Amino acid sequence: AQSVTQLDSQVPVFEEAPVELRCNYSSSVSVYLFWYVQYPNQGLQLLLKYLSGSTLVKSINGFEAEFNKSQTSFHLRKPSVHISDTAEYFCAVRRDTGNQFYFGTGTSLTVIP
Amino acid sequence: DTEVTQTPKHLVMGMTNKKSLKCEQHMGHRAMYWYKQKAKKPPELMFVYSYEKLSINESVPSRFSPECPNSSLLNLHLHALQPEDSALYLCASRPSGGGNHEQYFGPGTRLTVT
Repeated sequence: AQSVTQLDSQVPVFEEAPVELRCNYSSSVSVYLFWYVQYPNQGLQLLLKYLSGSTLVKSINGFEAEFNKSQTSFHLRKPSVHISDTAEYFCAVRRDTGNQFYFGTGTSLTVIP
Repeated sequence: DTEVTQTPKHLVMGMTNKKSLKCEQHMGHRAMYWYKQKAKKPPELMFVYSYEKLSINESVPSRFSPECPNSSLLNLHLHALQPEDSALYLCASRPSGGGNHEQYFGPGTRLTVT
């Protein structure tokens, strides 16, 4: 089975400051990697995904994540956060075969005005 | 239509009640999932249906009974639940085959067992 580690359970950051949310995974096989965001009382929304190709993937709202195979990481970054980015962020992996997704424990990002 | 819908949004039930949660998608996805999520925790996988057949059951107690009547609909039947079953229940779907690989989540049903 795969495991996903999000070392930071809570990350407070001031508005307009940069942020990095860390995600590491363990797998001996090829995986697909995802970042999901969950706002209070809502379901999960896909933020970014890495399937193949360029290791740097970007979202339309300024987030980016870089797949690093040697370090088995998929860290999420944003150069300047907004109040509206306050949410729970989950990293997830899925093997290239099978239906099961494995989620990290989540990082609660709080943007301080 | 690019969304997963779930009804009801909120449900309060006693421990002796029988109720059902409903999930629907019209994106042609052939993999559908039920998750249970406690506050500030990641979603816990309960069941996966692939092409309307149950493919994964994560040792869920029998008081939870899933059903997939057709490729667009997924139900979760609830009976004799315990207070610790109170949680957000999330449904998700995913296209099968190559190409897109992410899950699409519904907004969830907030369940309270009294």
